[in-house]
Amino acid sequence: SQQGEEDPQALSIQEGENATMNCSYKTSINNLQWYRQNSGRGLVHLILIRSNEREKHSGRLRVTLDTSKKSSSLLITASRAADTASYFCATDAAQGAQKLVFGQGTRLTINP
Amino acid sequence: SAVISQKPSRDICQRGTSLTIQCQVDSQVTMMFWYRQQPGQSLTLIATANQGSEATYESGFVIDKFPISRPNLTFSTLTVSNMSPEDSSIYLCSVNLGYTQYFGPGTRLTVL
Repeated sequence: SQQGEEDPQALSIQEGENATMNCSYKTSINNLQWYRQNSGRGLVHLILIRSNEREKHSGRLRVTLDTSKKSSSLLITASRAADTASYFCATDAAQGAQKLVFGQGTRLTINP
Repeated sequence: SAVISQKPSRDICQRGTSLTIQCQVDSQVTMMFWYRQQPGQSLTLIATANQGSEATYESGFVIDKFPISRPNLTFSTLTVSNMSPEDSSIYLCSVNLGYTQYFGPGTRLTVL
């Protein structure tokens, strides 16, 4: 069963604005990863944040992790039309298991 | 990072038939993972494929329906057997390198 929930389920913003997506999970984790999926294609790995990290940056991406609230957020700054995609968070729910449990995803649309 | 390829990229099949999906990785890995993404949904793990042993299936997935082979450390196949329209999904393989999990481009299966 899915342990992650993401909100919003869909987000539509204007190009140049910032987009924030949230992810919540239920059990203790080792790592949390964010992925992008364009039009039903394969998943592109965006960023990994470890359970002992609180914030991580990669280019226009900023990820935060609050293990006390079991939640994470992904911020995309200065959005571009090419950022239009579905975004998923995924957690490794068990020690050493490596297998991931995915959130339901946020469908992001950037309007020109 | 890992380079993962899948064949076929897409297929349209008749109900009652079977399809075998191939996954090739450019590095040797102990475990390979098979996920299913039903239309408009998130990813769900089908099974974990270990080289030299039987695959481990998640709840709701059985070997008779989704037999898996893992003949070496860079290759795996997933067969979707006796297909029905409910099997129409994207099937993705993935591997873990370090802490990051990488995904193949997916196989889009439509069952008529």
